[in-house]
Amino acid sequence: DSGVTQTPKHLITATGQRVTLRCSPRSGDLSVYWYQQSLDQGLQFLIQYYNGEERAKGNILERFSAQQFPDLHSELNLSSLELGDSALYFCASSDQGETQYFGPGTRLLVL
Amino acid sequence: AQSVAQPEDQVNVAEGNPLTVKCTYSVSGNPYLFWYVQYPNRGLQFLLKYITGDNLVKGSYGFEAEFNKSQTSFHLKKPSALVSDSALYFCAVRPSGYSTLTFGKGTMLLVSP
Repeated sequence: DSGVTQTPKHLITATGQRVTLRCSPRSGDLSVYWYQQSLDQGLQFLIQYYNGEERAKGNILERFSAQQFPDLHSELNLSSLELGDSALYFCASSDQGETQYFGPGTRLLVL
Repeated sequence: AQSVAQPEDQVNVAEGNPLTVKCTYSVSGNPYLFWYVQYPNRGLQFLLKYITGDNLVKGSYGFEAEFNKSQTSFHLKKPSALVSDSALYFCAVRPSGYSTLTFGKGTMLLVSP
């Protein structure tokens, strides 16, 4: 168990809908990262927050957004969902060190 | 921009034999290199990392990796494979001074009894 928690574990929704994925980092970790894992794209970095501020942006679509709250948990919002958004979404956290620890992921299925 | 190549989609090895999962990288500056393992329906678990120092890095579950700067490689090794090692292995890199990881596409390791 990495200490990173993600909810929900599974999510089934329809095209055009909006969903929110939640992540709680390890105790004391200030950085949160979001990744998308799909069969065709592999593991792709989406966005990083550090202590509430956006720190780095990767291949994140404009339909997607994230935020980190004062208690350091983070939410990833996915809107106007398309079939191609079906994937595993991972959250990871790290402290000032170099290692990112990953949560168990949220499996999103868009029908 | 940095990149990671894992040239083998799948590696097959018999239990008790040594295993190697290959990784090469491209990055500007000094690389920070990582190996993660993913079991079915699970998140990624950290195995080991190279930041600086000894080129041979030891990690969890008896795994080790050798950093080779001239060949820009960071191959994962284990002297004696277990059936329970069967999983998807990811190599990742980030340049020093940056925080985001770039992952390879993953290598499926299958250890047969």
